[in-house]
Parts: sequence; structure tokens; C-alpha cells
Amino acid sequence: AQSVTQLGSHVSVSEGALVLLRCNYSSSVPPYLFWYVQYPNQGLQLLLKYTTGATLVKGINGFEAEFKKSETSFHLTKPSAHMSDAAEYFCAVSDGVGGSSGDKLTFGTGTRLAVRP
Amino acid sequence: DSGVTQTPKHLITATGQRVTLRCSPRSGDLSVYWYQQSLDQGLQFLIQYYNGEERAKGNILERFSAQQFPDLHSELNLSSLELGDSALYFCASSGGLAVYNEQFFGPGTRLTVL
Repeated sequence: AQSVTQLGSHVSVSEGALVLLRCNYSSSVPPYLFWYVQYPNQGLQLLLKYTTGATLVKGINGFEAEFKKSETSFHLTKPSAHMSDAAEYFCAVSDGVGGSSGDKLTFGTGTRLAVRP
Repeated sequence: DSGVTQTPKHLITATGQRVTLRCSPRSGDLSVYWYQQSLDQGLQFLIQYYNGEERAKGNILERFSAQQFPDLHSELNLSSLELGDSALYFCASSGGLAVYNEQFFGPGTRLTVL
């Protein structure tokens, strides 16, 4: 079974500061990794995903994440926080290998990001 | 707007009752997924359908059932409701079966069981 651990349920940064949200995964097969963002009263929106290839993945809204196999990590970063980044962020790993096993997502517990003016 | 629609947006009901949540996937998407988001258990996968057939099952209670119809919309039926079933229920859709396919999430149905 695959799992995801997000360290820090709440992170607070100042506007303009670096954002770092931590995600570690456990997987018995090569993982497919995702970061989703959830704004209040909305569904989840994909920020970025890692499938294969380049380990540094760029996403929307200036976010990026680096897949580090040796550390089983997929931390999310943004160089300069903006007030509009305040939301809840979820790291997820794809379970199974697709096909008849399905491709469900296993989510971490989420990190709520607050941005101080 | 993800293109995935869910109705109703809010649902308030009593213990012991039965409700049906409806999801319409993005145009052309064959896979539909149901997830439950609660304070206790976070975001959990319930069940996946692909082109009308059940593909994968998570920790879905026996009181819950789902189906995907020929027009690809899906319904999640929750029966004998308990207080603990209060949660946000998300539907997501994707185009195929590959594990790297993006899942597009609907806005959710918030279920309150009183």
C-alpha cells in the first residue's frame, strides 16, 4: 500500500517569503506524485504532477516540486508567497498501476497555508 | 471551473435516511471517482468506475453504493445514514486508466446528517 505524509498541518509565511510544504511518500512501485490545492468551498485543483523524467516539476501559479527518490520526498516550493496562495494543499500518490487495479489517489492530511501581509 | 458538476451542493438530512449524490464528468472522460473528505479521516478514496464498470474500491462502507450510467454520469447512494457520514463528497473524472492521468475534481456535495 502507498501512503503520504505531510509534515506540518499549518504553515504561515509572510507575503514575499519562500513557501515550503513538505511531503514524503511510501511506495512499493515507482510513484506518480501530485500536489493539489483546495481553496475555501471549492474542489481540488491540480498544481503539478510527477510521472517520469525530469525530477524538478513546474506547475501553475509559480509552484514547483522536486522528486527525490533517495529521500522519498516531493516537497512543494514557491519563491515568493502571495496573499492569493492562502489555501489548503494536498500531496497525493497514485495507487496501483492503472488498468484493472485502478488509479486512485492516496492523499496526505493536508497543509493549510496562511500568508501574512 | 473543472468541467465536473455535482448536485446537490448541500444536503441536510437525518440519521437513518438515504440520499443520492450525482456527478457529471467532464465531456469525454470515462473514469469517475468518488472521494470523501472529513475532519476525522481526511480525503479518502471510495470507489472508481470506468465506462460503466466498477474498477477499484477503497474503504467504502457497505451502506454506500455507486453506479455509472451509460451517459457516464455517476451516482453515489448513501443509506442508513449516521452522524459520522457528515462530510464533503467529491467526484472526480479523468480520461482513461493510466495512473498519471489528471483527475479533475468537482466542487463537492456537503452532506450534513443531523
